[in-house]
Formats: sequence, C-alpha cells, structure tokens
Amino acid sequence: GAVVSQHPSRVICKSGTSVKIECRSLDFQATTMFWYRQFPKQSLMLMATSNEGSKATYEQGVEKDKFLINHASLTLSTLTVTSAHPEDSSFYICSASREEGSSYNEQFFGPGTRLTVL
Amino acid sequence: RKEVEQDPGPFNVPEGATVAFNCTYSNSASQSFFWYRQDCRKEPKLLMSVYSSGNEDGRFTAQLNRASQYISLLIRDSKLSDSATYLCVAGWTDKLIFGTGTRLQVFP
Repeated sequence: GAVVSQHPSRVICKSGTSVKIECRSLDFQATTMFWYRQFPKQSLMLMATSNEGSKATYEQGVEKDKFLINHASLTLSTLTVTSAHPEDSSFYICSASREEGSSYNEQFFGPGTRLTVL
Repeated sequence: RKEVEQDPGPFNVPEGATVAFNCTYSNSASQSFFWYRQDCRKEPKLLMSVYSSGNEDGRFTAQLNRASQYISLLIRDSKLSDSATYLCVAGWTDKLIFGTGTRLQVFP
C-alpha cells in the first residue's frame, strides 16, 4: 500500500513552454501533497504544500505564478511549470500524506519527474 | 547556514565495515527526525525514524541528541546494496527539511 505515481517520468521541452506534472496516490487518499525540487548534488527543497480543495502554500522564494499547483481531489495533485526556462531544469518529486498538519505523518514519495528545458 | 547539515562524503568502505553518519539541524523547534535513503536518480525512501531514546532496525541504529541538535546513523556489517545517499531529515509543523545527503559506497 501507499503507492504514489508521477507522470511523466521524464520530459524535455523548449524554453517558453509550459509543462504539467501529475502526482497520484494510487491506493490511499492524500489529504496533503507536497512538491519538492532537487538540483544535482543538492538536497530536496520543498516548493509548496497543498491540501485538497484549498490553495497551495508556497515556500519563500518559490513563485506561485510560475509554479501552479492544483489539488483537485484526494488522489491527484498537479504542478504546472509555466513558461519554463533552462534554469527550471530539475528533478521534481511529489509526496503524499494521509493526514495533514504534522511532520510525524509519513510522506510517501513519487518516483520523480526529470525536467529538461532546452 | 543550512537548516540540516551533513558531510557529503563520499564514504568508501569495504563490505562488512561499520560506518557512521552525522547530521546537525539548526531549528530547535524541529519535532520529528528521519533518515531516508536515496539511490541515484530515484526518489527518497524512508529508512527509519529517529527517537531520543535511540532506535535500531536490524543493522541500522539511529540516535538523536536534542540538546546538541545532532542526529546520527550507524550501519553495521555494510553490504554492497547499502551503497546510496543517506539523507538526514528534520520535520516541523507538516514540513520535512532535507540535508544534502551523505554518499556511501561499499566495495567488495
């Protein structure tokens, strides 16, 4: 149990295009979903936290108009990178938690999406 | 200063060796602590939670020192399959703050 999928696993796009990444909890309802970004040889950096049916909470320095997050159901969250540029190239990972409000709640990670912007 | 700091390594050890990783965190309000394992170009996977009393899971032992804001992971009898990056994680509210990881390479 507690499987999280991401789609696509890899995407290459031209500068200026928008890319949508899906994160799904396959066998449980995810009250909270998290989006992380990881640059090579760096740590996972939390970008935003989203709870089903409400607006995402973005971390400091993350542009909410550039990284659009939608958490429309308890099993699906999407991250759209708008007008992507080469500096947005990174490994994007989502995670999902059954409950909200505490870091004690285990987060189940998706396999990640590798974005390359040319 | 990074919120969670780790020695990046790499630690190159022979099979059967014991290896220890250390980590410090800066936010004294951190509530929960974990070690994750991340293989190259993969997502992180939870290895174990870390408690003040110390906890053990097979060959892995984790310790937490809240006064020093210090977390450790000990791996005994290293296996080739232990080769990975080990991420120290501190949590507060509902967030997880990841360290940059310590790379372990176990050789035959």
